[in-house]
Amino acid sequence: NAGVMQNPRHLVRRRGQEARLRCSPMKGHSHVYWYRQLPEEGLKFMVYLQKENIIDESGMPKERFSAEFPKEGPSILRIQQVVRGDSAAYFCASSPTLNQPQHFGDGTRLSIL
Amino acid sequence: ILNVEQSPQSLHVQEGDSTNFTCSFPSSNFYALHWYRWETAKSPEALFVMTLNGDEKKKGRISATLNTKEGYSYLYIKGSQPEDSATYLCALIKAAGNKLTFGGGTRVLVKP
Repeated sequence: NAGVMQNPRHLVRRRGQEARLRCSPMKGHSHVYWYRQLPEEGLKFMVYLQKENIIDESGMPKERFSAEFPKEGPSILRIQQVVRGDSAAYFCASSPTLNQPQHFGDGTRLSIL
Repeated sequence: ILNVEQSPQSLHVQEGDSTNFTCSFPSSNFYALHWYRWETAKSPEALFVMTLNGDEKKKGRISATLNTKEGYSYLYIKGSQPEDSATYLCALIKAAGNKLTFGGGTRVLVKP
C-alpha cells in the first residue's frame, strides 16, 4: 500500500510564475490536508479537503493560493504569481477520517528565485 | 488563535537515559490530541491519537499521557537510543473543529 505521494520533491520557480504541487493520498483515504513549513518555523495548517469539497481553508493566504481535490486524480495546491516569501516546504497528509492519524508525504520544497 | 505549546524546544539526552517533555493546550472544547515523530529529511510519522482524559498510550519505549482537564500531555521516552533523535510534535483538534493545530515541537538529540 503506497503512502502519500507528493510531487515534485523540489520545485524552483522565478518570481511571478505559477507553482503546482501535487498530492496523491493513500488508497482509501478521502481526507486530504495541506501544511506549510516556512524556514525556521513549524508546520502550519493551510487547507482541508475531501473529494471535490474544500472543508476548511482558514489557513490559506487570501490571494494567489488555491487548492482542489477533484473526483479523479491528485489534490493540487496552486500558487499563482509566486513571491520570495512563498519559499517553504509544503506537506500533504491524508487520513481515512478526521479522527484517525494523518499520514504525511515527503513534502515539496519550493524555492523562488 | 489556538496556542499549542511544547516545552522544552530542544533536549539533549544521554543514550540509555529516560526523558519526557510536555505539550500544553487550551482545555476547553477538547476533541483529540495527536503526537507525531519527525526525523530530519523524512515526513512526520504518527505515534498516538489520544481522546480521553487519563488516556495512556504506549509504543515500544515511547508512551504518552493525557490530561484534558488541565490541558497537557506528556511524552516519555524510556532508555533513549540514538534512533530516537527526532522532533516530536503534538497537534490538537478542537470539538467541532476540522484541523490539526501543531505545537512548535520538541527536538530531541540522543548522544551515544
